[in-house]
Amino acid sequence: SHELTQPPSVSVSPGQTATITCSGDALPQQYASWYQQKLGQAPVSVICKDTERPSGIPERFSGSSSGTTATLTISGVQAEDEADYYCQSADRSSTYVVFGGGTKLTVL
Amino acid sequence: QVQLVQSGAEVKKPGASVKVSCKASGYTFMNYGISWVRQAPGQGLEWMGWISARNRNTNYAQIVQGRATMTTDTSTSTAYMELRTLRSDDTAVYYCVRDRGDILTGTGHYFDLWGRGTLVIVSS
Repeated sequence: SHELTQPPSVSVSPGQTATITCSGDALPQQYASWYQQKLGQAPVSVICKDTERPSGIPERFSGSSSGTTATLTISGVQAEDEADYYCQSADRSSTYVVFGGGTKLTVL
Repeated sequence: QVQLVQSGAEVKKPGASVKVSCKASGYTFMNYGISWVRQAPGQGLEWMGWISARNRNTNYAQIVQGRATMTTDTSTSTAYMELRTLRSDDTAVYYCVRDRGDILTGTGHYFDLWGRGTLVIVSS
Protein backbone atom coordinates (compact mmCIF):
# COMPACT_ATOMS: atom_id res chain seq x y z
CA SER A 1 0.00 0.00 0.00
CA HIS A 2 1.04 3.58 -0.57
CA GLU A 3 1.76 5.75 2.47
CA LEU A 4 2.50 9.43 2.82
CA THR A 5 4.69 10.67 5.66
CA GLN A 6 4.49 14.21 7.07
CA PRO A 7 6.20 15.77 10.09
CA PRO A 8 3.71 15.97 12.98
CA SER A 9 4.45 19.62 13.66
CA VAL A 10 6.18 22.70 12.27
CA SER A 11 6.62 26.00 14.08
CA VAL A 12 7.52 29.36 12.58
CA SER A 13 7.43 33.01 13.56
CA PRO A 14 5.20 35.46 11.69
CA GLY A 15 6.78 36.65 8.47
CA GLN A 16 9.06 33.63 8.15
CA THR A 17 8.76 30.80 5.64
CA ALA A 18 7.12 27.52 6.62
CA THR A 19 8.04 24.34 4.77
CA ILE A 20 5.99 21.16 5.15
CA THR A 21 7.15 17.98 3.47
CA CYS A 22 5.29 14.88 2.35
CA SER A 23 7.19 11.73 1.44
CA GLY A 24 5.90 8.72 -0.45
CA ASP A 25 7.21 6.10 -2.83
CA ALA A 26 4.51 6.74 -5.46
CA LEU A 27 5.03 10.49 -5.61
CA PRO A 28 7.35 10.33 -8.64
CA GLN A 29 4.33 9.02 -10.58
CA GLN A 30 1.45 10.72 -8.77
CA TYR A 31 0.45 14.32 -8.12
CA ALA A 32 0.30 15.66 -4.57
CA SER A 33 -2.37 18.03 -3.32
CA TRP A 34 -2.55 19.95 -0.05
CA TYR A 35 -5.42 20.85 2.25
CA GLN A 36 -5.60 23.32 5.13
CA GLN A 37 -7.89 22.57 8.06
CA LYS A 38 -8.45 25.14 10.75
CA LEU A 39 -9.82 24.10 14.12
CA GLY A 40 -13.43 23.00 13.89
CA GLN A 41 -13.71 23.66 10.15
CA ALA A 42 -13.81 21.59 6.98
CA PRO A 43 -10.59 21.32 4.98
CA VAL A 44 -9.84 23.76 2.18
CA SER A 45 -7.73 23.02 -0.87
CA VAL A 46 -4.60 25.20 -1.01
CA ILE A 47 -2.51 23.39 -3.67
CA CYS A 48 -3.65 20.93 -6.36
CA LYS A 49 -1.61 18.72 -8.67
CA ASP A 50 1.76 19.55 -7.10
CA THR A 51 1.87 23.26 -7.92
CA GLU A 52 -1.56 24.68 -8.85
CA ARG A 53 -3.09 27.23 -6.51
CA PRO A 54 -6.91 27.29 -6.53
CA SER A 55 -8.73 30.55 -7.02
CA GLY A 56 -8.82 32.62 -3.85
CA ILE A 57 -5.74 31.07 -2.24
CA PRO A 58 -3.08 33.68 -1.39
CA GLU A 59 0.11 33.73 -3.45
CA ARG A 60 2.18 33.01 -0.36
CA PHE A 61 1.10 29.36 -0.69
CA SER A 62 3.14 27.35 -3.19
CA GLY A 63 3.84 23.72 -3.90
CA SER A 64 6.58 21.67 -5.48
CA SER A 65 7.50 18.04 -5.94
CA SER A 66 10.74 16.26 -6.64
CA GLY A 67 11.31 12.53 -6.53
CA THR A 68 9.59 10.99 -3.54
CA THR A 69 8.96 14.30 -1.72
CA ALA A 70 6.29 16.93 -2.21
CA THR A 71 6.62 20.25 -0.41
CA LEU A 72 4.17 22.93 0.67
CA THR A 73 5.79 26.31 1.21
CA ILE A 74 4.10 29.23 2.93
CA SER A 75 6.08 32.44 2.48
CA GLY A 76 5.59 35.31 4.91
CA VAL A 77 3.50 33.22 7.31
CA GLN A 78 0.61 35.01 8.98
CA ALA A 79 -1.17 34.16 12.21
CA GLU A 80 -4.23 33.08 10.22
CA ASP A 81 -2.18 30.32 8.58
CA GLU A 82 -2.08 28.36 11.83
CA ALA A 83 -3.84 25.10 11.00
CA ASP A 84 -3.40 21.42 10.23
CA TYR A 85 -2.11 20.68 6.75
CA TYR A 86 -2.67 17.39 4.94
CA CYS A 87 -1.03 16.13 1.78
CA GLN A 88 -2.98 13.80 -0.49
CA SER A 89 -2.02 11.61 -3.40
CA ALA A 90 -2.95 8.28 -4.96
CA ASP A 91 -1.54 4.79 -5.10
CA ARG A 92 0.45 3.59 -8.13
CA SER A 93 -2.75 2.57 -9.94
CA SER A 94 -4.12 6.12 -9.43
CA THR A 95 -7.33 4.55 -8.19
CA TYR A 96 -7.09 4.79 -4.41
CA VAL A 97 -6.57 7.96 -2.44
CA VAL A 98 -4.14 8.28 0.42
CA PHE A 99 -3.68 11.13 2.89
CA GLY A 100 -0.65 11.98 4.94
CA GLY A 101 -1.04 12.01 8.70
CA GLY A 102 -1.18 15.79 8.84
CA THR A 103 1.17 18.52 10.06
CA LYS A 104 0.18 21.03 12.71
CA LEU A 105 1.56 24.44 11.79
CA THR A 106 2.05 26.69 14.80
CA VAL A 107 2.68 30.40 14.31
CA LEU A 108 4.72 31.52 17.29
CA GLN B 1 -22.92 29.74 -5.24
CA VAL B 2 -20.80 26.63 -5.72
CA GLN B 3 -21.31 24.44 -2.66
CA LEU B 4 -21.98 21.02 -1.21
CA VAL B 5 -24.65 20.94 1.49
CA GLN B 6 -24.69 17.88 3.72
CA SER B 7 -27.39 16.42 5.93
CA GLY B 8 -27.45 16.88 9.68
CA ALA B 9 -25.80 15.02 12.51
CA GLU B 10 -26.85 11.45 13.32
CA VAL B 11 -26.67 9.27 16.42
CA LYS B 12 -26.84 5.54 15.78
CA LYS B 13 -26.51 2.34 17.77
CA PRO B 14 -23.88 -0.26 16.93
CA GLY B 15 -25.06 -2.54 14.14
CA ALA B 16 -27.36 0.08 12.62
CA SER B 17 -26.97 1.88 9.29
CA VAL B 18 -26.62 5.55 8.41
CA LYS B 19 -27.20 7.37 5.13
CA VAL B 20 -25.61 10.79 4.63
CA SER B 21 -26.69 13.08 1.80
CA CYS B 22 -24.71 15.74 -0.06
CA LYS B 23 -26.55 18.18 -2.34
CA ALA B 24 -24.48 19.99 -4.94
CA SER B 25 -25.31 23.41 -6.31
CA GLY B 26 -23.69 26.04 -8.50
CA TYR B 27 -22.03 23.63 -10.93
CA THR B 28 -22.92 20.87 -13.39
CA PHE B 29 -23.21 17.84 -11.11
CA MET B 30 -22.58 15.24 -13.82
CA ASN B 31 -19.22 16.74 -14.79
CA TYR B 32 -17.47 15.65 -11.59
CA GLY B 33 -17.13 12.78 -9.20
CA ILE B 34 -17.82 12.82 -5.49
CA SER B 35 -15.48 11.30 -2.94
CA TRP B 36 -16.30 10.70 0.70
CA VAL B 37 -13.70 11.40 3.38
CA ARG B 38 -14.09 10.87 7.11
CA GLN B 39 -12.28 12.16 10.17
CA ALA B 40 -12.51 10.48 13.55
CA PRO B 41 -12.28 12.77 16.60
CA GLY B 42 -8.75 14.16 16.90
CA GLN B 43 -7.55 12.10 13.96
CA GLY B 44 -6.53 12.68 10.34
CA LEU B 45 -8.41 12.41 7.08
CA GLU B 46 -9.40 9.01 5.71
CA TRP B 47 -10.70 8.42 2.19
CA MET B 48 -13.70 6.10 1.94
CA GLY B 49 -14.40 5.95 -1.75
CA TRP B 50 -15.53 7.68 -4.95
CA ILE B 51 -18.52 7.72 -7.25
CA SER B 52 -18.84 9.16 -10.72
CA ALA B 53 -21.83 11.43 -11.10
CA ARG B 54 -21.67 10.65 -14.83
CA ASN B 55 -21.82 6.84 -14.99
CA ARG B 56 -22.17 5.87 -11.29
CA ASN B 57 -18.92 3.89 -11.33
CA THR B 58 -17.54 3.45 -7.83
CA ASN B 59 -14.23 2.71 -6.10
CA TYR B 60 -14.24 1.88 -2.41
CA ALA B 61 -11.39 1.94 0.07
CA GLN B 62 -10.62 -1.34 1.74
CA ILE B 63 -11.57 0.09 5.13
CA VAL B 64 -15.27 0.19 4.15
CA GLN B 65 -15.40 -2.36 1.32
CA GLY B 66 -18.60 -4.34 1.70
CA ARG B 67 -20.15 -2.00 4.28
CA ALA B 68 -20.48 1.24 2.28
CA THR B 69 -22.64 2.08 -0.72
CA MET B 70 -22.28 5.34 -2.60
CA THR B 71 -25.04 6.49 -4.92
CA THR B 72 -26.11 9.59 -6.80
CA ASP B 73 -29.41 11.11 -7.90
CA THR B 74 -28.74 13.32 -10.88
CA SER B 75 -32.32 14.66 -10.88
CA THR B 76 -31.58 16.42 -7.57
CA SER B 77 -27.76 16.72 -7.88
CA THR B 78 -27.41 14.77 -4.67
CA ALA B 79 -24.87 12.16 -3.62
CA TYR B 80 -25.47 9.65 -0.84
CA MET B 81 -23.21 7.51 1.30
CA GLU B 82 -24.71 4.64 3.27
CA LEU B 83 -22.63 2.84 5.88
CA ARG B 84 -23.97 -0.39 7.39
CA THR B 85 -23.18 -2.49 10.45
CA LEU B 86 -21.91 0.56 12.29
CA ARG B 87 -19.23 0.19 14.96
CA SER B 88 -18.02 2.63 17.58
CA ASP B 89 -14.91 3.35 15.52
CA ASP B 90 -17.13 4.66 12.72
CA THR B 91 -17.79 7.70 14.90
CA ALA B 92 -16.47 10.55 12.78
CA VAL B 93 -17.25 13.62 10.73
CA TYR B 94 -18.07 12.52 7.18
CA TYR B 95 -17.24 14.92 4.34
CA CYS B 96 -18.37 14.82 0.75
CA VAL B 97 -15.90 16.42 -1.62
CA ARG B 98 -15.93 17.32 -5.28
CA ASP B 99 -13.39 15.09 -6.97
CA ARG B 100 -11.50 16.46 -9.98
CA GLY B 101 -10.15 13.09 -11.07
CA ASP B 102 -11.18 11.33 -14.27
CA ILE B 103 -14.97 11.35 -14.34
CA LEU B 104 -15.26 7.91 -15.96
CA THR B 105 -12.51 5.88 -14.28
CA GLY B 106 -11.98 7.57 -10.93
CA THR B 107 -8.24 7.90 -11.36
CA GLY B 108 -6.06 10.87 -10.51
CA HIS B 109 -8.11 12.10 -7.57
CA TYR B 110 -7.83 15.55 -6.11
CA PHE B 111 -10.41 17.67 -4.34
CA ASP B 112 -11.39 21.29 -4.78
CA LEU B 113 -14.68 21.68 -2.91
CA TRP B 114 -15.63 20.30 0.50
CA GLY B 115 -18.94 20.00 2.27
CA ARG B 116 -19.10 21.21 5.88
CA GLY B 117 -19.26 17.67 7.19
CA THR B 118 -21.81 15.44 8.92
CA LEU B 119 -21.11 14.18 12.42
CA VAL B 120 -22.07 10.54 12.92
CA ILE B 121 -21.91 9.20 16.46
CA VAL B 122 -22.15 5.48 17.05
CA SER B 123 -22.93 4.68 20.64
CA SER B 124 -25.03 2.24 22.61
